[in-house]
Amino acid sequence: EADIYQTPRYLVIGTGKKITLECSQTMGHDKMYWYQQDPGMELHLIHYSYGVNSTEKGDLSSESTVSRIRTEHFPLTLESARPSHTSQYLCASSDPTGGVNCEQYFGPGTRLTVT
Amino acid sequence: AQKVTQAQTEISVVEKEDVTLDCVYETRDTTYYLFWYKQPPSGELVFLIRRNSFDEQNEISGRYSWNFQKSTSSFNFTITASQVVDSAVYFCALSGPDGYGQNFVFGPGTRLSVLP
Repeated sequence: EADIYQTPRYLVIGTGKKITLECSQTMGHDKMYWYQQDPGMELHLIHYSYGVNSTEKGDLSSESTVSRIRTEHFPLTLESARPSHTSQYLCASSDPTGGVNCEQYFGPGTRLTVT
Repeated sequence: AQKVTQAQTEISVVEKEDVTLDCVYETRDTTYYLFWYKQPPSGELVFLIRRNSFDEQNEISGRYSWNFQKSTSSFNFTITASQVVDSAVYFCALSGPDGYGQNFVFGPGTRLSVLP
């Protein structure tokens, strides 16, 4: 069973506000990911990290930023929220060993609504 | 580039029917990994299975079974005697040999509705 946590689970916020979505895992995984998904629709990779102090942008252009100062923590920040940011944000982690055991484990998600 | 196709957008079945979810993949890698995930209405993605490209054995876990065929680049998922709790969106995914980053791609998902 994976131990990956996201807070808040639900967030309603006004346009222009700065927000940080939290993601933590207790499995010691090096690899972490952020996906954006409209409920039940395709997943879009927006950021990933190979390890501490390593972050990369994914294949979906995003106005968010991430940081990886500690192995277990991978927060995502939106400097100025807009209605187009309304979506579900899923955090995941994995611990591939030469590619094997590379399945990603997901947190419960944060459903963000920007009004 | 790697690609996963799930041609069935939505499927509806009546409880106790068997249902197969199709997954076709494209990759140039000789070593790769295939996955199935379940996303119930609660929204969390639940990992179901990983299959390595060098292991074509089919697998059965309770009412779930998976058929991996390299010759047709397919990794299909069958639920036997479906139940209402199986209603969810199911995603097939493919990873390259390193197992992470942008080489980990998800299909568009198939929404399964099991009616009582």
